[in-house]
Amino acid sequence: GAGVSQSPSNKVTEKGKDVELRCDPISGHTALYWYRQSLGQGLEFLIYFQGNSAPDKSGLPSDRFSAERTGGSVSTLTIQRTQQEDSAVYLCASSYAGNEQFFGPGTRLTVL
Amino acid sequence: DQQVKQNSPSLSVQEGRISILNCDYTNSMFDYFLWYKKYPAEGPTFLISISSIKDKNEDGRFTVFLNKSAKHLSLHIVPSQPGDSAVYFCAASGSGSARQLTFGSGTQLTVLP
Repeated sequence: GAGVSQSPSNKVTEKGKDVELRCDPISGHTALYWYRQSLGQGLEFLIYFQGNSAPDKSGLPSDRFSAERTGGSVSTLTIQRTQQEDSAVYLCASSYAGNEQFFGPGTRLTVL
Repeated sequence: DQQVKQNSPSLSVQEGRISILNCDYTNSMFDYFLWYKKYPAEGPTFLISISSIKDKNEDGRFTVFLNKSAKHLSLHIVPSQPGDSAVYFCAASGSGSARQLTFGSGTQLTVLP
């Protein structure tokens, strides 16, 4: 595709529910990254995939967060038992060979 | 512990003048630096980057300067245009294949017509 796409663009959920966020990277990009941006903050690294494996999960804030990537392409970020502090914009980026990262438009998650 | 800091949350500049956005970092392992621009409701867009082996990189109206000894970089936009109004994020990465980015908190640039 022309760029990184993410779905949904907006998600409102109730505290305690699970959510799944999807990222379609640029075709051919081997690296995929998840970040989140809380209100008034910079982007916070969550997890990185090289192909289907995740060598760096250091940024996941708790064990309620998990992510997978299948076929070296689409990735899903899952948040279980959502809390209000999970409210943020979740951004996905992809890159080829460790060069500049290209970002999707993000998913705005609101936990009521 | 903020490893990348943008101490100015906002900056206003007159159209046609120079915009200078600043960024400081603390981690000496960072060797690659980038600037991203972000409009509301969109993801960050890559603008320009610089490797630690250089002290300047220029692309059209945009120039990034790196001062390694001061752990400081800056983005110059000349001449500034109203369409440049956006939030600018400084980001840094270290050596290795992961290249996860560490971002500053951003500076809102407003270019006044």
